[in-house]
Amino acid sequence: QKEVEQDPGPLSVPEGAIVSLNCTYSNSAFQYFMWYRQYSRKGPELLMYTYSSGNKEDGRFTAQVDKSSKYISLFIRDSQPSDSATYLCAMIYSGGGADGLTFGKGTHLIIQP
Amino acid sequence: NAGVTQTPKFQVLKTGQSMTLQCAQDMNHEYMSWYRQDPGMGLRLIHYSVGAGITDQGEVPNGYNVSRSTTEDFPLRLLSAAPSQTSVYFCASSSAQAASYEQYFGPGTRLTVT
Repeated sequence: QKEVEQDPGPLSVPEGAIVSLNCTYSNSAFQYFMWYRQYSRKGPELLMYTYSSGNKEDGRFTAQVDKSSKYISLFIRDSQPSDSATYLCAMIYSGGGADGLTFGKGTHLIIQP
Repeated sequence: NAGVTQTPKFQVLKTGQSMTLQCAQDMNHEYMSWYRQDPGMGLRLIHYSVGAGITDQGEVPNGYNVSRSTTEDFPLRLLSAAPSQTSVYFCASSSAQAASYEQYFGPGTRLTVT
């Protein structure tokens, strides 16, 4: 069983819709949860990170972590064609740690104009 | 401020050849790392460094070497290229204060081994 599971999609929604992207994980030691956005043929860029459980909002984006269910979500409100990209969830153990992030495989999101 | 830069952008190698992928950052970050991204596999950590002179292995280190002689540079060496090393390679860096969760990625190097 992979440590982080993420549906690869593609997920196609009309412009203006609310998008929900999700990941599940198996290791309860993960404490920091990140969402990266990756446009085609580009490097990942950090959208948001959350420490432990709870919600965090940044503009049209909301990240949610439910540690009891080992489930994290990213919501995008008023989705735009420019949001079309691959969204990667990533996690790391308590204390940050230098040994890298554990990534999901990414969900390919398509926003239809 | 260029962030994280990687060269070359594209490379084709024959099996058995060696090469070095270059990575540099101008943010004075202590942490640097190398990932490879393959279809259906996501990003996997190859090697990482917590500062100049200190490196360690990640999830998939075989066939790769690294060294860190300066804070700015973290080259990745392929010793004897194999078709299984065909991939997109990303270098990333982060500050000590942010630990390694706020990582900045370079634009990637697309490597094909024939």
